[in-house]
Amino acid sequence: KQEVTQIPAALSVPEGENLVLNCSFTDSAIYNLQWFRQDPGKGLTSLLLIQSSQREQTSGRLNASLDKSSGRSTLYIAASQPGDSATYLCAVPRDYGGSQGNLIFGKGTKLSVKP
Amino acid sequence: EAQVTQNPRYLITVTGKKLTVTCSQNMNHEYMSWYRQDPGLGLRQIYYSMNVEVTDKGDVPEGYKVSRKEKRNFPLILESPSPNQTSLYFCASSSEGGFLVNEQFFGPGTRLTVL
Repeated sequence: KQEVTQIPAALSVPEGENLVLNCSFTDSAIYNLQWFRQDPGKGLTSLLLIQSSQREQTSGRLNASLDKSSGRSTLYIAASQPGDSATYLCAVPRDYGGSQGNLIFGKGTKLSVKP
Repeated sequence: EAQVTQNPRYLITVTGKKLTVTCSQNMNHEYMSWYRQDPGLGLRQIYYSMNVEVTDKGDVPEGYKVSRKEKRNFPLILESPSPNQTSLYFCASSSEGGFLVNEQFFGPGTRLTVL
């Protein structure tokens, strides 16, 4: 059974710092991995989707890497800003086939960037 | 604008009073699903639909019903709500489902309180 873990659960950093959020998954047979952002009381916004054949994806100050063999992904945020404060979640598709399949989410890392 | 919409955004109701949360997407996506998000438990899938007239149970389907009569709509029905269904609910859609999940788009969420 696929399990997704995110450590740390919470992180507080000063503005301008570069930071890394971690995501690990137990079954390396994934098709892709997706990083989301969630603001308090709001929905999820997709940040980056990495296909299994890719090593990383970049969008602005965000860079996500994927190492399937070790079951890990990292989200790198460069030059953090207070507006980056949110909860970041990673998710992978289920590990079993048939018609059932969906995203398994980690519980997220709550990031606070202090001015 | 490509989006997933949910209504209502907030709802307070009483035990046993049937309710429906609507979900609609304008991206012609085949795949739609419902999640609930609870503190400490993260996001858990309730039901999903691979296409019109095709629905299946997720991880926590008890107490919920869904229907998919049209491609764009995927309502969530609580026939007899109970306090343990108090939660934040999200609808999501993507152009693929199952193991080949592509980028998922989420609605803004519906905060439900059952007294």
